[in-house]
Amino acid sequence: AQTVTQSQPEMSVQEAETVTLSCTYDTSESDYYLFWYKQPPSRQMILVIRQEAYKQQNATENRFSVNFQKAAKSFSLKISDSQLGDAAMYFCAYRSGFRGGNTPLVFGKGTRLSVIA
Amino acid sequence: SQTIHQWPATLVQPVGSPLSLECTVEGTSNPNLYWYRQAAGRGLQLLFYSVGIGQISSEVPQNLSASRPQDRQFILSSKKLLLSDSGFYLCAWSITGYNNEQFFGPGTRLTVL
Repeated sequence: AQTVTQSQPEMSVQEAETVTLSCTYDTSESDYYLFWYKQPPSRQMILVIRQEAYKQQNATENRFSVNFQKAAKSFSLKISDSQLGDAAMYFCAYRSGFRGGNTPLVFGKGTRLSVIA
Repeated sequence: SQTIHQWPATLVQPVGSPLSLECTVEGTSNPNLYWYRQAAGRGLQLLFYSVGIGQISSEVPQNLSASRPQDRQFILSSKKLLLSDSGFYLCAWSITGYNNEQFFGPGTRLTVL
């Protein structure tokens, strides 16, 4: 079974600075997808960024980018120019490509990010 | 556009009472549907998922059950709640196929006393 590990329960960053959240995963599959979700105090889960395992290029969405190291099974999230609205719980998630992608997400335990004004 | 609804938003129930949480999706057809539970200070635990009407896969054997009576309706139930059932329950949907993100509902906060 696949597992996702987020080793940083809590992180903090100064407003306008850059922060990196770590995520490692364990799988024997070669076809899979990785995601970062954000859960603000409202508890609504919001997709931040996704990465396909077959793509070597790291995904980027505005101030959010990932460092995908497939051999090391590492998938870190970098937030640049941090804003107060970035304060939230961040979850790393894995999805198998098996069964045409009709598989549930496997989540890490999350990292709580605080942004200091 | 697609929307996902969950109700109730909050629920306080005594131990041993029944439970029914409902999730509906609008604006799409034949979605994959998921129930997750988020206990305090923990990540999301998959409880059930469904790829079609009447098709339910259970990930965690416990006193909860799920049903999908209609294409866009997913219900989480229990005959007798336990204290350990307290948590935040999230319903999600996705479109069949690769590389499709899951869209989450607003969640239901359940407190069992």
